[in-house]
Amino acid sequence: NAGVTQTPKFRILKIGQSMTLQCTQDMNHNYMYWYRQDPGMGLKLIYYSVGAGITDKGEVPNGYNVSRSTTEDFPLRLELAAPSQTSVYFCASRDGASGGYNEQFFGPGTRLTVL
Amino acid sequence: SQELEQSPQSLIVQEGKNLTINCTSSKTLYGLYWYKQKYGEGLIFLMMLQKGGEEKSHEKITAKLDEKKQQSSLHITASQPSHAGIYLCGAESGSARQLTFGSGTQLTVLP
Repeated sequence: NAGVTQTPKFRILKIGQSMTLQCTQDMNHNYMYWYRQDPGMGLKLIYYSVGAGITDKGEVPNGYNVSRSTTEDFPLRLELAAPSQTSVYFCASRDGASGGYNEQFFGPGTRLTVL
Repeated sequence: SQELEQSPQSLIVQEGKNLTINCTSSKTLYGLYWYKQKYGEGLIFLMMLQKGGEEKSHEKITAKLDEKKQQSSLHITASQPSHAGIYLCGAESGSARQLTFGSGTQLTVLP
């Protein structure tokens, strides 16, 4: 299993540009998450999904959109990029179907700079 | 909303020394996770605690959740340079059991 994969690893955007961060997991997990990590800070939740077709906002959703058309993929869309969106973005997934406490598996992250 | 405070924010120790990192929650903890992060990389799962008084160990790392379930500690025995990195605690909350994270502890181990 590849686990959680993210593309691209690095990206530089100009203010006002848009882009999509890709996230794919091959563990058949129903729960998926997007977090951002600013320098010297912990991770903050942007959006999450409990299954295909179901998404919801997290703590810091402004400026982002998501979709979940399949179990495997959970892309994050940035519209009109702003310098405040410079951050490292992590996608994660977990098995929510089996109940109990299960770890979240994290991707390697996408480092985004908006200039 | 739940807030997690980690202390210390950074720690520099000599190889072979023991150290402890603390994670204090503003609310009762239901599912406390410890992750390790190296610069430029993703998060590596270390341990998860859910019961008050629970203690888990893996190699030289031990994590505990206090009886009142509002604080967890991570203890490293005989630290090595391979232990260096950022340690993050995360607490489950919400219907999707998403994680709220502390701000992290940067650990440097000097050879």
